[in-house]
Amino acid sequence: QSALTQPASVSGSPGQSTTISCSGTNSHVGSYYLVSWYQQHPGNGPKLIIYDVNKRPSGVSDRFSGSKSGDTASLTISGLQAEDEADYYCCSYADISTFHVIFGGGTKLTVL
Amino acid sequence: EVQLVQSGAEVKKPGESLKISCKGSGYSFTTSWIAWVRQMPGKGLEWMGIIYPGDSDTRYSPSFQGQVTISSDKSINTAYLQWSSLRASDSAMYYCARQVVAATLLFDSWGQGTRVTVSS
Repeated sequence: QSALTQPASVSGSPGQSTTISCSGTNSHVGSYYLVSWYQQHPGNGPKLIIYDVNKRPSGVSDRFSGSKSGDTASLTISGLQAEDEADYYCCSYADISTFHVIFGGGTKLTVL
Repeated sequence: EVQLVQSGAEVKKPGESLKISCKGSGYSFTTSWIAWVRQMPGKGLEWMGIIYPGDSDTRYSPSFQGQVTISSDKSINTAYLQWSSLRASDSAMYYCARQVVAATLLFDSWGQGTRVTVSS
């Protein structure tokens, strides 16, 4: 299966908002509310920031929010801060019966 | 606190075998799925497969089926990823992660990663 499609890069100035999209026709992005998002800073492992499309784990800033429309999920980061500069990955099931997961190609967020 | 601690970096030659580990603590190891995720240098995340240590139920991504073996030893709360014959293209960072699948999909805890370098 191909990866979910994300923009390679996005950018924004401190205080602004930015949105990262994640689309996939050969996945369950459109079928279920089973999309999660991960933040990865250079040299670190990924960190869960959104699950079930729009839920935030405890401890994750409410500046991070998620949504979905049809086959496209989105991650919005409001009030951009320098510490938000990282790579972001979406994921969903490619095959829910086998728990086979597919990730997006990743989006590099640059805070200008 | 859920913790996954992975074995250290490895440098191997092509054709050699390798087994890396991921030890879980702070939760019920036998009733949680553990996934392995590859990240090649400068690239994105790739899901390799998953194991349920309680009964060793294992599923693989078609891209990795036959290329690696995922196993576990529930007596020591440890999952493994192994290769029988490494190739240079296996050079990557490998993460284990707890994959929660019950009416959801999320990886809520990640190991620190194991860097594998395969070079002659």
